[in-house]
Amino acid sequence: DTGVSQNPRHKITKRGQNVTFRCDPISEHNRLYWYRQTLGQGPEFLTYFQNEAQLEKSRLLSDRFSAERPKGSFSTLEIQRTEQGDSAMYLCASSLAYKEHYTFGSGTRLTVV
Amino acid sequence: AQTVTQSQPEMSVQEAETVTLSCTYDTSESDYYLFWYKQPPSRQMILVIRQEAYKQQNATENRFSVNFQKAAKSFSLKISDSQLGDAAMYFCAYNNAGNMLTFGGGTRLMVKP
Repeated sequence: DTGVSQNPRHKITKRGQNVTFRCDPISEHNRLYWYRQTLGQGPEFLTYFQNEAQLEKSRLLSDRFSAERPKGSFSTLEIQRTEQGDSAMYLCASSLAYKEHYTFGSGTRLTVV
Repeated sequence: AQTVTQSQPEMSVQEAETVTLSCTYDTSESDYYLFWYKQPPSRQMILVIRQEAYKQQNATENRFSVNFQKAAKSFSLKISDSQLGDAAMYFCAYNNAGNMLTFGGGTRLMVKP
């Protein structure tokens, strides 16, 4: 098992463009989490899935953000009409439900210019 | 809502010495988990140590130990025999009911040779 994989590692986009990130969790993990981390701050929760069901969304997740986990395996996070304030590291983590062991990916760093 | 506070933005320690990182949290729950994560410049969040709130005994992992004071809602991390590889951002985090993690703002640890 190669752990949690996130692609791309870096993304530079122009303001107003759409971007999509992918997260491949540990295969046997049924929960998948997305966090956003701005420079010098701790990660902030965005949303999480159990299998294909999106169980919770943070108020940080505006209507420009959408996340999917269509087959309960990998997940995508899309940001539409990007703004400079979206520049951050987007972290993915996975776990087994009700098991407090989380494995994080290396993140996708988004820069909006 | 649960909050996690790390009051030390930066800490410095001499190699081979001991350092303690502070964390306080606020919750109305009685059963929860507390974590310390390390985030080196390579970005991947790595679990250092985990404490279950119903366990009175402080968790220990090799050179890392915690001082868990449930009544005071305090959860500090002690690193003994500090090594150059310990230099990183350290995040305290809270979780209950197996859902998302709530992180503190982080402490940057510098290790001087």
